[in-house]
Amino acid sequence: GQQLNQSPQSMFIQEGEDVSMNCTSSSIFNTWLWYKQDPGEGPVLLIALYKAGELTSNGRLTAQFGITRKDSFLNISASIPSDVGIYFCAGPGNQFYFGTGTSLTVIP
Amino acid sequence: EPEVTQTPSHQVTQMGQEVILRCVPISNHLYFYWYRQILGQKVEFLVSFYNNEISEKSEIFDDQFSVERPDGSNFTLKIRSTKLEDSAMYFCASSPPWTGEKLFFGSGTQLSVL
Repeated sequence: GQQLNQSPQSMFIQEGEDVSMNCTSSSIFNTWLWYKQDPGEGPVLLIALYKAGELTSNGRLTAQFGITRKDSFLNISASIPSDVGIYFCAGPGNQFYFGTGTSLTVIP
Repeated sequence: EPEVTQTPSHQVTQMGQEVILRCVPISNHLYFYWYRQILGQKVEFLVSFYNNEISEKSEIFDDQFSVERPDGSNFTLKIRSTKLEDSAMYFCASSPPWTGEKLFFGSGTQLSVL
């Protein structure tokens, strides 16, 4: 199956700092999605990207779809405690593939 | 806002017992999915379902698993004879065909097999 690898695996940051994480794929995707999972909850869609090179924002979140269509990054500006959670990239295919996840801890 | 609902939120069962996990997808959605997440690990695809039949399934989805849409609103996952390694959070998701393949997830059922 297709592999989606995320880095870093985990991050510990101070409140107010900016965060950057990325996702790389072994093959091309035509759509990239970023989800956030709070503890004990299901993933919630944050941002959807549909075109190579596309840069999309949702509040303090910004995501870009890589030109090669094999990668994407997610930035969070001015982090706050409620940003804590696991962030997954995802790509639709025959199966809907999820990345390995980046666990974010924000220290007040 | 419409949402995917799952019941029960927690299920404890003895090894070898059958369990049925229930989901009510968003009403105008046409594609349905089950995923599982073992504690601390990534979300793993189990099966997708469209037009009253399985469209894709992973290697995890063996003969112990089955899915059903018994009526117009429910979507169920049955595990016939549970094993210890089936302990995980199980998520149902649904998607309409016109949103660029976005999946909307339920809050999950935490299955514990003892």
